[in-house]
Amino acid sequence: DTGVSQDPRHKITKRGQNVTFRCDPISEHNRLYWYRQTLGQGPEFLTYFQNEAQLEKSRLLSDRFSAERPKGSFSTLEIQRTEQGDSAMYLCASSLAGLSGPKNTEAFFGQGTRLTVV
Amino acid sequence: KQEVTQIPAALSVPEGENLVLNCSFTDSAIYNLQWFRQDPGKGLTSLLLIQSSQREQTSGRLNASLDKSSGRSTLYIAASQPGDSATYLCAVKDFLFGGSQGNLIFGKGTKLSVKP
Repeated sequence: DTGVSQDPRHKITKRGQNVTFRCDPISEHNRLYWYRQTLGQGPEFLTYFQNEAQLEKSRLLSDRFSAERPKGSFSTLEIQRTEQGDSAMYLCASSLAGLSGPKNTEAFFGQGTRLTVV
Repeated sequence: KQEVTQIPAALSVPEGENLVLNCSFTDSAIYNLQWFRQDPGKGLTSLLLIQSSQREQTSGRLNASLDKSSGRSTLYIAASQPGDSATYLCAVKDFLFGGSQGNLIFGKGTKLSVKP
């Protein structure tokens, strides 16, 4: 296990269809994050998990978006009824939060899933 | 609300030149600051992590400094190479939005092009 893995790397879908992305974090990492990045912008936070618990969701995460991390390992991000505005790079990151908290831990990112809604 | 700004937005230099990328943030109450590299269409590669108590970190030809009180960080790249061409992003983890949740707040990045 050498890093964060995301699948698929690219996804083209028609407007209105549902899509699901997968993220496999670094194996010992208990925190997992989803970010969205549009062209020319920095990544923006969507949601994060500590183990299997989803602890925070950004206001960017509309009710068409749902994320899960059922066993505290891999995570899925589903977008229902996709819209053209959902076209973006979806990035997953993981980190390790120890007893002293997550404050000083390094975040590692995957290669991202590029979504194009046509 | 924390805001992160990176200047310049784009930079083109000849190979071999030393260069500095700038990052500023509006709220100095941060846990740490992280510099990333992003190649076109790819994910983020972590370059350097500076804790709030540190002033600088070095890795090979890269040196990152942090002045928390003034809300600034710089990434110094020595003897630039064409392979350094990429977008460089800085991100802070702060006490408010990022605090206990550990989220990162990113700048828009500086697109670096190193010409052979």
